[in-house]
Amino acid sequence: QQQVKQSPQSLIVQKGGIPIINCAYENTAFDYFPWYQQFPGKGPALLIAIRPDVSEKKEGRFTISFNKSAKQFSLHIMDSQPGDSATYFCAASIRRSNTGKLIFGQGTTLQVKP
Amino acid sequence: EPEVTQTPSHQVTQMGQEVILRCVPISNHLYFYWYRQILGQKVEFLVSFYNNEISEKSEIFDDQFSVERPDGSNFTLKIRSTKLEDSAMYFCASRALSAGSGDQPQHFGDGTRLSIL
Repeated sequence: QQQVKQSPQSLIVQKGGIPIINCAYENTAFDYFPWYQQFPGKGPALLIAIRPDVSEKKEGRFTISFNKSAKQFSLHIMDSQPGDSATYFCAASIRRSNTGKLIFGQGTTLQVKP
Repeated sequence: EPEVTQTPSHQVTQMGQEVILRCVPISNHLYFYWYRQILGQKVEFLVSFYNNEISEKSEIFDDQFSVERPDGSNFTLKIRSTKLEDSAMYFCASRALSAGSGDQPQHFGDGTRLSIL
């Protein structure tokens, strides 16, 4: 019940395409859903995050869509660029817990071809 | 922008030896974490630390693991007797205290690659 399932495992798009990465969870206590971007040799860096009281959040070219009833959320990257090539992790946590630990999905390796 | 720093970037250790991984969290942060990432796999939570004590630990964090905040700036992870399966990338993260309804994100260091021979 603590798992976050992420798909696809890898994704290749052409420059300008809109890659979509999907995540699903079971634990309805999760109330904070961040996405992290990781480049080789670097730590995960926060990209964008959403709470379940909104259905969509947009920051620049990155958009999270959230479906509370289906317990699913997804990341869309508009006008993708070769510089977006990285591994993307969705995560979930319980804000009101005393730890705020993150439960990560399995990761999606994105390649954006020029 | 302040960042979490981790040392060393790569640690090679013989099986059975003790290893200490070091982290300097962001200075005004109060929550500290260790995660690990086995090559090609997802990032896994190990332990969280707040107010000078462990607030939660995972099943991975057994008696061979310990954490310490020896002074006002460092946060360390010690593995007492390393095993081959401890080989992984270890990430330290820190987070500020949430104010009101605001969400404070976890900031990650660039990790220490631990190789057990």
